[in-house]
Amino acid sequence: DQQVKQNSPSLSVQEGRISILNCDYTNSMFDYFLWYKKYPAEGPTFLISISSIKDKNEDGRFTVFLNKSAKHLSLHIVPSQPGDSAVYFCAASIPSNTGKLIFGQGTTLQVKP
Amino acid sequence: GAGVSQTPSNKVTEKGKYVELRCDPISGHTALYWYRQSLGQGPEFLIYFQGTGAADDSGLPNDRFFAVRPEGSVSTLKIQRTERGDSAVYLCASSSTRGSYNEQFFGPGTRLTVL
Repeated sequence: DQQVKQNSPSLSVQEGRISILNCDYTNSMFDYFLWYKKYPAEGPTFLISISSIKDKNEDGRFTVFLNKSAKHLSLHIVPSQPGDSAVYFCAASIPSNTGKLIFGQGTTLQVKP
Repeated sequence: GAGVSQTPSNKVTEKGKYVELRCDPISGHTALYWYRQSLGQGPEFLIYFQGTGAADDSGLPNDRFFAVRPEGSVSTLKIQRTERGDSAVYLCASSSTRGSYNEQFFGPGTRLTVL
């Protein structure tokens, strides 16, 4: 049972354009959502997060939107840069004493110069 | 500063053997997590330590998997009688906050290959 889904395995975007990565979830108990970025041979690195009580969070070129009614979130990168090429994971956290994260399958973003 | 380190970076073993994977968290981080990432998938939670104790081991797939953190810093993931299906990248993460939302810092992972 995949509670967090990233249905697009890959995305290709031209440099300077907007990249939109999508994520769907099924568990309405999730209280925090996070995006991680992963380069080959490295561990995932935290990018941006959003609480379930908000619908938008912005940090520089990165904005995350949350639509709770649709159980959908998206990451927007504007403008996209070649260095943004990586695998992006959406993750969610359930209120508990553990803080464990439930990850999606990842989307590989390629930004072409 | 130093991030999360994991050793070895690669481990090749034969089916049925025993392996140990080590994680050195960021100094001062009390929370430590192990995840497993199979090819084409996202990281999957295995176990969570708060200090020395395993507060949540619900993600361990079976009793061949065990992890310890005896002094509340370094952790070792132990896999007995390895099987080909155990082949994956094992990721360790640490965090400075307890429970609920926390930013987890990941190590580079150990790629385990069981022949």
